[in-house]
Amino acid sequence: GAGVSQSPSNKVTEKGKDVELRCDPISGHTALYWYRQSLGQGLEFLIYFQGNSAPDKSGLPSDRFSAERTGGSVSTLTIQRTQQEDSAVYLCASSRQGSGANVLTFGAGSRLTVL
Amino acid sequence: EDQVTQSPEALRLQEGESSSLNCSYTVSGLRGLFWYRQDPGKGPEFLFTLYSAGEEKEKERLKATLTKKESFLHITAPKPEDSATYLCAVPPNSGYALNFGKGTSLLVTP
Repeated sequence: GAGVSQSPSNKVTEKGKDVELRCDPISGHTALYWYRQSLGQGLEFLIYFQGNSAPDKSGLPSDRFSAERTGGSVSTLTIQRTQQEDSAVYLCASSRQGSGANVLTFGAGSRLTVL
Repeated sequence: EDQVTQSPEALRLQEGESSSLNCSYTVSGLRGLFWYRQDPGKGPEFLFTLYSAGEEKEKERLKATLTKKESFLHITAPKPEDSATYLCAVPPNSGYALNFGKGTSLLVTP
């Protein structure tokens, strides 16, 4: 596609429920990143996928968070047993290569509100 | 620990009033410094990459410069449409994910 597509754009859930957030990267981009942006905070790295390599999960804040990328394209970020502190905007980005020196193209984000 | 610090946190300018935003970094062996612009409700949008001290990049009213310890984003004669949050980021010494600063929220009033 022309850009990075994320869905849903907004999600309101109750504490303790599971949520899934989807990211469809730019076609041909081999690297995919998930970041979290909380109010007043900077972008917090969550996870990174590059081609068929094992993902870099070093930024995931707890074992309630997981992500997968199927067929080297679409990615899903899953948050289990959501907590109020999980409320944030979850941003997905993709780039042509896996190097951190490459330009990231971001989606518009998924705003998650946990009541 | 790699660190990116941006100042000021917020800046309010009148249209036409030039100013500069600062980004200081502590990562060694810099592999590029990135500036992004983020509008409300949208993801960050790439502006510039700088790779070596002394390098400058320009786009319309924006000019980014780089030294060995910091980068400046100069805004000349800003317009209200320049209002946004400006983010600075650097790659870490190891790994691939960019480390972002908390950003400078710029408001330009008519």
